[in-house]
Amino acid sequence: AQTVTQSQPEMSVQEAETVTLSCTYDTSESDYYLFWYKQPPSRQMILVIRQEAYKQQNATENRFSVNFQKAAKSFSLKISDSQLGDAAMYFCAYRSVQGAQKLVFGQGTRLTINP
Amino acid sequence: DAGVIQSPRHEVTEMGQEVTLRCKPISGHNSLFWYRQTMMRGLELLIYFNNNVPIDDSGMPEDRFSAKMPNASFSTLKIQPSEPRDSAVYFCASSHTDRPPQYFGPGTRLTVL
Repeated sequence: AQTVTQSQPEMSVQEAETVTLSCTYDTSESDYYLFWYKQPPSRQMILVIRQEAYKQQNATENRFSVNFQKAAKSFSLKISDSQLGDAAMYFCAYRSVQGAQKLVFGQGTRLTINP
Repeated sequence: DAGVIQSPRHEVTEMGQEVTLRCKPISGHNSLFWYRQTMMRGLELLIYFNNNVPIDDSGMPEDRFSAKMPNASFSTLKIQPSEPRDSAVYFCASSHTDRPPQYFGPGTRLTVL
């Protein structure tokens, strides 16, 4: 079974600075998807970014980018120019390409933005 | 386009009562997922459907939980009888089969007293 680990329960960053959230995963599969979801206090789960394992190029969405290291099974999220609205819980998630479609989530990292 | 719709947003009930949570997936999506979020266990899948057919219900805690998807635009998750340990946020999500990502509804916060 696949597992996802987020080793940072909490992180904080100054507004306008850059922060990196860590995620590692364990799988024996060669093809899969990885995601970062954001959960603000409203509790809505919002997709931030996705990565297909077969793509070597790291995904980027505006101020959000990932560092995908397949051999190391690492998938970190970098947030540039942090804004107050980025404050939330961030969840890393894994999904198989073949077989089960369910998302396997990490425990989450609570990100605080200091003004 | 409307996102995933869940109702109710909040539910407070007494132990032993029946609870029904409802979900309307995004139009055109043919996979539907029910997740539960608790402090102790985080986010975990309860059950998912492809084309209205249950595919994996291994996450359903026990016989008190049941889920149905009578058509492509509606699903229910029922708890009967409810217990205080069922208190959690329940999310519904939908996607195209084999084409991620999953899009989540706003969740239902269930409190069982």
